[in-house]
Amino acid sequence: DAGITQSPRHKVTETGTPVTLRCHQTENHRYMYWYRQDPGHGLRLIHYSYGVKDTDKGEVSDGYSVSRSKTEDFLLTLESATSSQTSVYFCAINEDGGTDTQYFGPGTRLTVL
Amino acid sequence: GQQLNQSPQSMFIQEGEDVSMNCTSSSIFNTWLWYKQDPGEGPVLLIALYKAGELTSNGRLTAQFGITRKDSFLNISASIPSDVGIYFCAGRISGGYNKLIFGAGTRLAVHP
Repeated sequence: DAGITQSPRHKVTETGTPVTLRCHQTENHRYMYWYRQDPGHGLRLIHYSYGVKDTDKGEVSDGYSVSRSKTEDFLLTLESATSSQTSVYFCAINEDGGTDTQYFGPGTRLTVL
Repeated sequence: GQQLNQSPQSMFIQEGEDVSMNCTSSSIFNTWLWYKQDPGEGPVLLIALYKAGELTSNGRLTAQFGITRKDSFLNISASIPSDVGIYFCAGRISGGYNKLIFGAGTRLAVHP
């Protein structure tokens, strides 16, 4: 158990509203990631962080922003949600110590109407 | 950009059968990972491979890192109902930050 929680676990919102998803870890790992999962696409990287206030874009970053003001929290924000952002969102951490293995949170199912 | 082609997309097998799935890419990877996802949960790491030609087992699961570093396969022997789920391969992208790229997944169904 890598001590990752995500909130909320489920959310339904309307097009045009802002949405923030939270990822919290208990073990102070440096690297954190946000992915989205859609049928036929596997998991695609949205943004990642390599330290407090250090973030960068992933493969599908348009329409998303992130913030990391504390080691333990990584926030994903949809400034103005669109129906194409309906998806399951997963947060992941990479254990320190040189391994490449990522551990995933339980996911947030977001529906944009 | 880099892509992983994972096949098959889905499999429906009888309990007790062996299963094989693979991932291929036009790019070289230094690390291959295999994950399993149960319904409503996040992916869980099954096996990690770090060297070309490496063959690693985890119980009934065996995975290999291809010699060309462009492919990997996962075998499950004597499948059981709890093997049901989606299996993902992932390769580590060069350039640091331990970023991964994932295949589209293989959905496995096991008939008792």
